[in-house]
Amino acid sequence: NAGVTQTPKFQVLKTGQSMTLQCAQDMNHEYMSWYRQDPGMGLRLIHYSVGAGITDQGEVPNGYNVSRSTTEDFPLRLLSAAPSQTSVYFCATSVRRETEAFFGQGTRLTVV
Amino acid sequence: QQQVKQSPQSLIVQKGGISIINCAYENTAFDYFPWYQQFPGKGPALLIAIRPDVSEKKEGRFTISFNKSAKQFSLHIMDSQPGDSATYFCAASVSGNTPLVFGKGTRLSVIA
Repeated sequence: NAGVTQTPKFQVLKTGQSMTLQCAQDMNHEYMSWYRQDPGMGLRLIHYSVGAGITDQGEVPNGYNVSRSTTEDFPLRLLSAAPSQTSVYFCATSVRRETEAFFGQGTRLTVV
Repeated sequence: QQQVKQSPQSLIVQKGGISIINCAYENTAFDYFPWYQQFPGKGPALLIAIRPDVSEKKEGRFTISFNKSAKQFSLHIMDSQPGDSATYFCAASVSGNTPLVFGKGTRLSVIA
């Protein structure tokens, strides 16, 4: 089992470009979430989903969109990239929102 | 408002010493308190977790101490080893209600 797979691992974007960060899990977990990690800021929740077809905003949702059409996939879309979105992005899954989270390896995004 | 406050931001410990990381919270409804360990280039992984019905939980060299009245919990790493050098995050959640909220992290360096 792969667990939680994030692609790509690294990405450089120009300001204004759009892109989708992919997250796929084979753990059959209902709950999936996206975090961004910045130095000195810890892990901040962007969006989360409690099941297919259901999404909600976290602490820092502006500039990001998500959808959940299947249990396995939870893509994160940057609509118009800004330098402030330079960060490391982590996807996580868990049985329920408040239980142990299993994280992917992360995507390091640089917006220039 | 930061829901979980973690200190210190960084910590240097001699090999064989005790590493102590502290977290404080305000929301008395929190009932799940995990600690995550993150190595460079990797996603965080669950290290140990506690619920407020116990005051201490030990797993090998790692111990969580929980003080409900003070709304604080801490991670103790006994006989610290260079391989423990990583970033540690505390987190908290409310069962059936809120996603995990993370502290800002502590970068631990264990030197020989």
